[in-house]
Amino acid sequence: DGGITQSPKYLFRKEGQNVTLSCEQNLNHDAMYWYRQDPGQGLRLIYYSQIVNDFQKGDIAEGYSVSREKKESFPLTVTSAQKNPTAFYLCASSIRPTTNEQYFGPGTRLTVT
Amino acid sequence: KNEVEQSPQNLTAQEGEFITINCSYSVGISALHWLQQHPGGGIVSLFMLSSGKKKHGRLIATINIQEKHSSLHITASHPRDSAVYICAVYGTSYGKLTFGQGTILTVHP
Repeated sequence: DGGITQSPKYLFRKEGQNVTLSCEQNLNHDAMYWYRQDPGQGLRLIYYSQIVNDFQKGDIAEGYSVSREKKESFPLTVTSAQKNPTAFYLCASSIRPTTNEQYFGPGTRLTVT
Repeated sequence: KNEVEQSPQNLTAQEGEFITINCSYSVGISALHWLQQHPGGGIVSLFMLSSGKKKHGRLIATINIQEKHSSLHITASHPRDSAVYICAVYGTSYGKLTFGQGTILTVHP
């Protein structure tokens, strides 16, 4: 079965700790994306990667970092510099960066206290 | 003003009712997505449109490019249709999806 996996589904951390969210895809897609979802707001783009070893900041990149060392993996680190890290995080991928259709993972709900 | 606006934000219906969710956007687009998000959080794509109308089962999506408006209709609604429905547009500058805030639909038996 091809798809996108995100783990864990729920994650709890203490304030001041960095935390890394996993995103893996076996769709052989070139492009991958990280979004953040807050109640009552649309999804917002954090970072995206068009190809291995390359990534760009999205609209709300401050306090986050990513890496793309392998085509199938695009982990997101929420650093202690992110002022409001509690949110639902969604990973997505598309066949090519210019392809309109994105496929979404199941999401990770991060709670920082 | 958001680039993508959905209405209504919340919608409650009785089973069997015809439902319409609207999406208006203010930017030039190459395509529009309708997405469904269930309580668990995962998102699935329902439709991708660049013109006209698409139908899948009880769901119908239409788009009017000149008016910058799209609608999602659900005929004979069912409690399992309860979810958040999200409109998202691909701007003419590549690759970026802009999302509406979502419409929370609850269908009662």
